[in-house]
Amino acid sequence: NAGVTQTPKFRVLKTGQSMTLLCAQDMNHEYMYWYRQDPGMGLRLIHYSVGEGTTAKGEVPDGYNVSRLKKQNFLLGLESAAPSQTSVYFCASSRNTEAFFGQGTRLTVV
Amino acid sequence: AQSVAQPEDQVNVAEGNPLTVKCTYSVSGNPYLFWYVQYPNRGLQFLLKYITGDNLVKGSYGFEAEFNKSQTSFHLKKPSALVSDSALYFCAVSSPGYSSASKIIFGSGTRLSIRP
Repeated sequence: NAGVTQTPKFRVLKTGQSMTLLCAQDMNHEYMYWYRQDPGMGLRLIHYSVGEGTTAKGEVPDGYNVSRLKKQNFLLGLESAAPSQTSVYFCASSRNTEAFFGQGTRLTVV
Repeated sequence: AQSVAQPEDQVNVAEGNPLTVKCTYSVSGNPYLFWYVQYPNRGLQFLLKYITGDNLVKGSYGFEAEFNKSQTSFHLKKPSALVSDSALYFCAVSSPGYSSASKIIFGSGTRLSIRP
């Protein structure tokens, strides 16, 4: 049982480049989330989804887009990366109580 | 709007002593409350949750937390700390039942350091 899997684990981008982070869960969870973790800031919610085909903005959505075309996948896109988006990104899923987290993606924008 | 406050950036405790990591929250409606732990270069691991019922909830690794509705608090506790408890701890809240309330909001984290 893989749980929540994030791809890739590490990435270095140049300013202005685009990329997509993939999150996949095999627990048939309705809810999925994308967070970013920065020192001293805790985890901040970027976007979330309450079901296939739905997305909603979190606390810090600017500069990111998401899609949930399939229930098991939640994609996070950066259209034009900026150094301020250097962070560790975590995906999570839940049935409606506790969330289960992936191992994170460390993204550096230079 | 939902929010979580962890007022201490760091808590230092001697091994064998009791520990408390503080958390207060603000939410409309009845809260679901959670504690997570993060070890270096790892994802977050779920420790325990309060959904309803008994205000004292027990979780993994001997941790427990007490829900106090009047003080809007959910402090994490352990009777006897271990060096291996040293990690980053996060409190989180959600409020199912409201239109945008299935999101889970986290606090800024508290680093727990247990000295031998």
